[in-house]
Amino acid sequence: KQEVTQIPAALSVPEGENLVLNCSFTDSAIYNLQWFRQDPGKGLTSLLLIQSSQREQTSGRLNASLDKSSGRSTLYIAASQPGDSATYLCAVTGTNAGKSTFGDGTTLTVKP
Amino acid sequence: DGGITQSPKYLFRKEGQNVTLSCEQNLNHDAMYWYRQDPGQGLRLIYYSQIVNDFQKGDIAEGYSVSREKKESFPLTVTSAQKNPTAFYLCASSMGVGGEAFFGQGTRLTVV
Repeated sequence: KQEVTQIPAALSVPEGENLVLNCSFTDSAIYNLQWFRQDPGKGLTSLLLIQSSQREQTSGRLNASLDKSSGRSTLYIAASQPGDSATYLCAVTGTNAGKSTFGDGTTLTVKP
Repeated sequence: DGGITQSPKYLFRKEGQNVTLSCEQNLNHDAMYWYRQDPGQGLRLIYYSQIVNDFQKGDIAEGYSVSREKKESFPLTVTSAQKNPTAFYLCASSMGVGGEAFFGQGTRLTVV
């Protein structure tokens, strides 16, 4: 059974810092890995999708990498801003029935 | 404006009552999903459907039921058999298995 772990559970940084969020998974038989942002009481917003054949994806100040063989992904946020404060979730979609497994998330606080 | 619409945003259920959560999408996606999120936790899959008139149980299907009579709609019924229904419910869709997932804004269900 796929297990997804996100470390740390919470992170607080001053504005302007670069930071890395981590996601690890136990089964490398995946279609893709997706990073989401969730604001309190809201749904999930897709940030980046990395297909299993890709190594990384970039969107603006965000860069996500995928190392399928080691079961790891990182989300790099450059020049963090208070508006980046949210919970960040990663999800892996397995090749067995195409179901997605989510981590518990990392709650990020960026202080002005 | 394409997207996924969940209604209502807030729902209150009395003991022993069935309630139905609505999920509609106009993205022309084949696959639709229902997840449950409890405080401080990731998402757990309740049911999913990869095509009209077909759906599969997820990891926590007991006490829930779904239907998929139209491509655009995937309603979730929380039955009286679900002993702990208070949670945040999220609906998602994707083009197909392994596609990028998009989420609605969620329904918060509370038992009173």
